[in-house]
Amino acid sequence: SQTIHQWPATLVQPVGSPLSLECTVEGTSNPNLYWYRQAAGRGLQLLFYSVGIGQISSEVPQNLSASRPQDRQFILSSKKLLLSDSGFYLCAWARGEGNLNTFGSGTRLTVV
Amino acid sequence: QKEVEQNSGPLSVPEGAIASLNCTYSDRGSQSFFWYRQYSGKSPELIMSIYSNGDKEDGRFTAQLNKASQYVSLLIRDSQPSDSATYLCAVDTGRRALTFGSGTRLQVQP
Repeated sequence: SQTIHQWPATLVQPVGSPLSLECTVEGTSNPNLYWYRQAAGRGLQLLFYSVGIGQISSEVPQNLSASRPQDRQFILSSKKLLLSDSGFYLCAWARGEGNLNTFGSGTRLTVV
Repeated sequence: QKEVEQNSGPLSVPEGAIASLNCTYSDRGSQSFFWYRQYSGKSPELIMSIYSNGDKEDGRFTAQLNKASQYVSLLIRDSQPSDSATYLCAVDTGRRALTFGSGTRLQVQP
C-alpha cells in the first residue's frame, strides 16, 4: 500500500530564516506530487505541483520554491520566511493518471 | 465567482439527525467530485467520490451529483458527535490538481 510521510509536524521559525519541508511517498512510482497551504479557517491553496523529477509548476507567485530531486521526494523551501508564510502546509500525492489526492499529515508553520 | 463554493457554516445538527452539506462548481467540464473530512489540526481524508449523476451510498454517507445544476452534496445519516469536522468539496476540472472549496464546518450536538 502507498504511504506519504511529511515532516516536521510543527515548526516555529523567526522572520528571515530559511525553510525546508520534506515529503516522501512510498509504495508507488511516478506519482503527481503537490504542496498546499491552508491558512487558519481557510480552504486549501495549491502552491506547487510536480508530474516528474525536476518538473515543478508554481500556481501562485510567492516567497516559496519547490524541488523534486527524486521520484518520490518533494521539498518545499524558502530562503527568507515572512510572517505571511505562517500556515498549515500539506503535501499530497495522486496517481499519474488521476487527480485523487491523498494527503500527508501536514506541517504547522508559525513564523514569529 | 469561486470555482467551488461551499457555505462555511457552522452547520449545527443534533445527534442522530441527517446533516446535508452542499457544494456548487462553475466548470461544466468537471468529471470527478470528492468529499474530504478534516478534523481540527489534521489533514483532509477522503470519505466519498462520485463520478456520475445520481446518488452513491457508503455506510452512513451518501453523495449526490447533479451535473446539469452543477451541484454536489453529501448527506450524513444518524450524525454522531465524531462527525464534527470541516467537510471539503473537491472537483477535478481536468487540470493537474483538484480544486477545493473552502469547506463547511459541521457541529453535531450530543
